[in-house]
Amino acid sequence: DTAVSQTPKYLVTQMGNDKSIKCEQNLGHDTMYWYKQDSKKFLKIMFSYNNKELIINETVPNRFSPKSPDKAHLNLHINSLELGDSAVYFCASSQEGVLSGANVLTFGAGSRLTVL
Amino acid sequence: GDSVTQMEGPVTLSEEAFLTINCTYTATGYPSLFWYVQYPGEGLQLLLKATKADDKGSNKGFEATYRKETTSFHLEKGSVQVSDSAVYFCALPRLNTGGFKTIFGAGTRLFVKA
Repeated sequence: DTAVSQTPKYLVTQMGNDKSIKCEQNLGHDTMYWYKQDSKKFLKIMFSYNNKELIINETVPNRFSPKSPDKAHLNLHINSLELGDSAVYFCASSQEGVLSGANVLTFGAGSRLTVL
Repeated sequence: GDSVTQMEGPVTLSEEAFLTINCTYTATGYPSLFWYVQYPGEGLQLLLKATKADDKGSNKGFEATYRKETTSFHLEKGSVQVSDSAVYFCALPRLNTGGFKTIFGAGTRLFVKA
């Protein structure tokens, strides 16, 4: 069983369209994330949810709307897609370890979005 | 603010060569430090970690020692294999008011030739 699974793996669409990426984790983790990786492999956090509540929003355009129906799922909906949205989007989860000071992320395989 | 700086790639080595990928960080306090690896077409996975100064993380022949005096966490491997070809990310998890936010370095691509 895949620990963090995201669909679709590839998404090609036209500018202006709306699309969604879904993510599910079966690890029982409390926290889920969306990261964006650009063409140079630079990785940047977009959102973080803890038990269905938004806790981190990294100044992402409001065309991006995450939704967490339960703590095992975190979806990403993108409105009015732009060329600059082309990237690989990674979902990740973690079990917060506040006392240990460590926070290990488990990543999905990524969803490559290409906007034409 | 908090940041991670790692050496630019790509790094190209022959099989059995020695690998070093430099990583330095800027952060207050005593953060944990991680190395993640991304194989082609896959998500990142944890390679090793260290949670306090002078700790050495190790896994799959890779090692990194947390040096607080030089704010560094350099990744090393004594003898690389073709299968080590991947992108390596140094990472710094930081606890904000809302929760953890991991800051990643820019990634260093490693090519190992047979």
